[in-house]
Amino acid sequence: QQQVKQSPQSLIVQKGGISIINCAYENTAFDYFPWYQQFPGKGPALLIAIRPDVSEKKEGRFTISFNKSAKQFSLHIMDSQPGDSATYFCAPLSGGSYIPTFGRGTSLIVHP
Amino acid sequence: DAGVIQSPRHEVTEMGQEVTLRCKPISGHNSLFWYRQTMMRGLELLIYFNNNVPIDDSGMPEDRFSAKMPNASFSTLKIQPSEPRDSAVYFCASETSGRALETQYFGPGTRLLVL
Repeated sequence: QQQVKQSPQSLIVQKGGISIINCAYENTAFDYFPWYQQFPGKGPALLIAIRPDVSEKKEGRFTISFNKSAKQFSLHIMDSQPGDSATYFCAPLSGGSYIPTFGRGTSLIVHP
Repeated sequence: DAGVIQSPRHEVTEMGQEVTLRCKPISGHNSLFWYRQTMMRGLELLIYFNNNVPIDDSGMPEDRFSAKMPNASFSTLKIQPSEPRDSAVYFCASETSGRALETQYFGPGTRLLVL
């Protein structure tokens, strides 16, 4: 049973555009919602994360939007740059289990 | 800080051979995780150690896989015997607290190919 559904599977945007990646989850016990960024040949690295007490968090060009009632959270990349080309994973988890549930990943390509 | 160190970076072996992957976590980190990444299954958590003790190994695929953490600065993941379906990238990650991923740092991975 898939607990986390990430979409789209791949995304191509032009430089300067907005990239939006979505993550839908089923487990209402999740209480921490991170996004990870992975470049080819590297391990994933924490990009930005949000807790359910806020609906939005912004760090530079990256924003997480959280919709608790819809059980969804999304990553927005403003002014997308070729250097943002990577695979992005959502990986929500709950404090009780400490085990993250990774989405399948979204491959983002930003054309110059 | 050198970050999480994994060795080897690449491993090619034949079916039936024993494979040992190694990980040195960041000094001072007390939790260590082993992951496997494939195109088919994405990123999977295999096992999680806290203070050198295995806490959750429910992700270990079968008895051919075993992991140890004899001390705070070293862990191994062993596959014996290896099979072609074990081909994947294996990541080790460490963190300072018991809360998965909050401050977690991944190594560069070991790319394993079993022929």
